[in-house]
Amino acid sequence: GENVEQHPSTLSVQEGDSAVIKCTYSDSASNYFPWYKQELGKGPQLIIDIRSNVGEKKDQRIAVTLNKTAKHFSLHITETQPEDSAVYFCAAGGNYGQNFVFGPGTRLSVLP
Amino acid sequence: KAGVTQTPRYLIKTRGQQVTLSCSPISGHRSVSWYQQTPGQGLQFLFEYFSETQRNKGNFPGRFSGRQFSNSRSEMNVSTLELGDSALYLCASSLEGQAVDTIYFGEGSWLTVV
Repeated sequence: GENVEQHPSTLSVQEGDSAVIKCTYSDSASNYFPWYKQELGKGPQLIIDIRSNVGEKKDQRIAVTLNKTAKHFSLHITETQPEDSAVYFCAAGGNYGQNFVFGPGTRLSVLP
Repeated sequence: KAGVTQTPRYLIKTRGQQVTLSCSPISGHRSVSWYQQTPGQGLQFLFEYFSETQRNKGNFPGRFSGRQFSNSRSEMNVSTLELGDSALYLCASSLEGQAVDTIYFGEGSWLTVV
């Protein structure tokens, strides 16, 4: 089955700096890769996703890149703000219906 | 448009009891999936329902079950609760439940087993 690794597990950046979180997956059949942000006490919120027919997608300060050959994808947040502080999860799926496999999460802290 | 609604938000149960959690998907969404989130195991897929039928199931014991109603609302049940069942249970919905459909999560139900 699919296995998703995510690094780093914790990340601290200064406000205004960029943050990068990387994920690798094992199943080459996976073709959909969403990213979720989870704030304390809340459910995961989709922030961006990418499908395998695209190599990069950007939405304002957030971008995701996908390398299907190497089986890894990354989340890039530019000009970080304190409200970006949260746990971020990557996921891989698209080959087993709605059975998405999530990475273990990255706790991002943006220091003012 | 209302998001995914889960009830109850918090509950405490005793070992051996059973619990039922409820989920109302986003209006128009026909697929509902359930996930368990714990600090040690992260987010793990429980099962998915579409048109009142379970289409996909994760690697959980038979004590975990669910159902979906004709209005797409879903419930999950955990019987004979164990301490290890303490977790945040998340419901997610998607439009048609296609493999590449985006799933949207609710706020979750926090279950504590004592």
